[in-house]
Amino acid sequence: GAVVSQHPSRVICKSGTSVKIECRSLDFQATTMFWYRQFPKKSLMLMATSNEGSKATYEQGVEKDKFLINHASLTLSTLTVTSAHPEDSSFYICSASQLRGPRSNEQFFGPGTRLTVL
Amino acid sequence: GQNIDQPTEMTATEGAIVQINCTYQTSGFNGLFWYQQHAGEAPTFLSYNVLDGLEEKGRFSSFLSRSKGYSYLLLKELQMKDSASYLCAVRDLTGANNLFFGTGTRLTVIP
Repeated sequence: GAVVSQHPSRVICKSGTSVKIECRSLDFQATTMFWYRQFPKKSLMLMATSNEGSKATYEQGVEKDKFLINHASLTLSTLTVTSAHPEDSSFYICSASQLRGPRSNEQFFGPGTRLTVL
Repeated sequence: GQNIDQPTEMTATEGAIVQINCTYQTSGFNGLFWYQQHAGEAPTFLSYNVLDGLEEKGRFSSFLSRSKGYSYLLLKELQMKDSASYLCAVRDLTGANNLFFGTGTRLTVIP
């Protein structure tokens, strides 16, 4: 149980275009979803936290107008990178947690999406 | 704020024991996690400590001292497949269960 999927797993786009990444909890209701970014050989940096039905909370230094996060249901959150530029190329990972249950302490991670902006 | 420190790289021999340390300074503490991450993959959960002491799970153990802001991950009987990055993450006290990660320790297991 507690499986999280991400789509797409890999995307290449041209500079200036927008890219949408989906994060789904497949077998549980995710009350909170998290979006991270990871540059090569670096650790995960939390970008934002979203609760179902409410606006995302962004970490300091993350542009909310550039990284649009929607958490419309208890099983789906999306991250849209708007007007992507080469410096946005990174590994984007989502995770999900549930409010109750024996594993409510944990975040369950998706497999990640590698974004390359040309 | 949060400040989490780990060694950047470690090398150990197959069959040996290795200890990966993590020190942290946080404005609020609500548990410490260890994750394993292979290159290009998402992190996988290894252990969780919220109280002081040692948690053992097979070949992996994790220790926490809250008063010292210190944890370690102990890997026994190392196997080649244990070559990976090991991430220490601290959870804060907000209701959102936010995790803040250290830089990760890249472990290389050699024959």
